[in-house]
Amino acid sequence: KQEVTQIPAALSVPEGENLVLNCSFTDSAIYNLQWFRQDPGKGLTSLLLIQSSQREQTSGRLNASLDKSSGRSTLYIAASQPGDSATYLCAVRGGNKLTFGTGTQLKVEL
Amino acid sequence: GAGVSQSPSNKVTEKGKDVELRCDPISGHTALYWYRQRLGQGLEFLIYFQGNSAPDKSGLPSDRFSAERTGESVSTLTIQRTQQEDSAVYLCASSLGTGAYYGYTFGSGTRLTVV
Repeated sequence: KQEVTQIPAALSVPEGENLVLNCSFTDSAIYNLQWFRQDPGKGLTSLLLIQSSQREQTSGRLNASLDKSSGRSTLYIAASQPGDSATYLCAVRGGNKLTFGTGTQLKVEL
Repeated sequence: GAGVSQSPSNKVTEKGKDVELRCDPISGHTALYWYRQRLGQGLEFLIYFQGNSAPDKSGLPSDRFSAERTGESVSTLTIQRTQQEDSAVYLCASSLGTGAYYGYTFGSGTRLTVV
């Protein structure tokens, strides 16, 4: 059974800092990995998708990497802003379902 | 449509009543998924549709839960005889396909409160 862990569970940083969120998974037989953000009371917004054959994806200030063999992914956020405050979820796709991590709650302070 | 649409956005119901939650996926998306998120917990998979068929119902928590999809479009999740532990946000997602290239797009969810 796939298990996904995210560290840290919560993170508070001053505006402008670069930061890294970590995701690990137990079964490396995945199709892809997707990073989402969830704002309070809202649904999930897809940030980046990395196929199992890829090593990284970039979108603006976000960069996600994938090391499938070691079961790890990182989400790098450059020059953080207060608007980045949200819960970040990583999810791995095996077969026809996504397995989610428990999330990292990020707060970017002025 | 442009995104995944769910209705209602909020639903308060009395214990023991039946509820129906609706999901309109992105047009052309053949795969549709239902997830549940209880307060303070992670997302739990409920059911997956490919077209109008549900090859994976393994996440449905009890026989009080059922779902259907018609016209390879709209899906309805029905909860019969609701219980307080059914209170959660129910999220629907759709995907253009099931290969590694395809990601999920989620709706904003239905917040269900059973009183």
